[in-house]
Amino acid sequence: KQEVTQIPAALSVPEGENLVLNCSFTDSAIYNLQWFRQDPGKGLTSLLLIQSSQREQTSGRLNASLDKSSGRSTLYIAASQPGDSATYLCAGTDSWGKLQFGAGTQVVVTP
Amino acid sequence: EAQVTQNPRYLITVTGKKLTVTCSQNMNHEYMSWYRQDPGLGLRQIYYSMNVEVTDKGDVPEGYKVSRKEKRNFPLILESPSPNQTSLYFCASSLKASGNYGYTFGSGTRLTVV
Repeated sequence: KQEVTQIPAALSVPEGENLVLNCSFTDSAIYNLQWFRQDPGKGLTSLLLIQSSQREQTSGRLNASLDKSSGRSTLYIAASQPGDSATYLCAGTDSWGKLQFGAGTQVVVTP
Repeated sequence: EAQVTQNPRYLITVTGKKLTVTCSQNMNHEYMSWYRQDPGLGLRQIYYSMNVEVTDKGDVPEGYKVSRKEKRNFPLILESPSPNQTSLYFCASSLKASGNYGYTFGSGTRLTVV
């Protein structure tokens, strides 16, 4: 069974610093890996999707990498802003389409 | 706008009173699924559907039912809700189950069973 781990569980940084969020998974046979953002009590917003043949994806200040051989994905958020405060979740998709989520990293960006 | 719509957003009910949470997507997606999110347990899959009339159990299906009579709709049914089904529920969809397709999530339904 795929297990997804996110480290750290929580992170607090001053505005302007770069954020590095880590995600590791036990089964390298994932189809793709998706990063989501969740605000308290709200739904999941998709940030980046890294397909199985890709090594990274970029969108604005966000960059995510995927290394299937080592079972790791990293989300970088450049020049953090208070509006980036949220919980970030990574999820791998298996061949049946099931998303296996990590527990998330709670990020606080202080002004 | 492409989206997954869940209703209601909030629901308080009593033990044993049947309820249905609706989910609808307008993206012609084949794959739909339900998740529940609980503190300390994260997001867990309840049921999923590969296509119309094809549904299967996820990790925590006990106490839930689903149906997929139309491609766009995937309701979650709680025949006899119990307090341990108090949770935040999400519906999600994807173009297909297999392949490199991302998922779109609904805004969530916060259910409280008293």
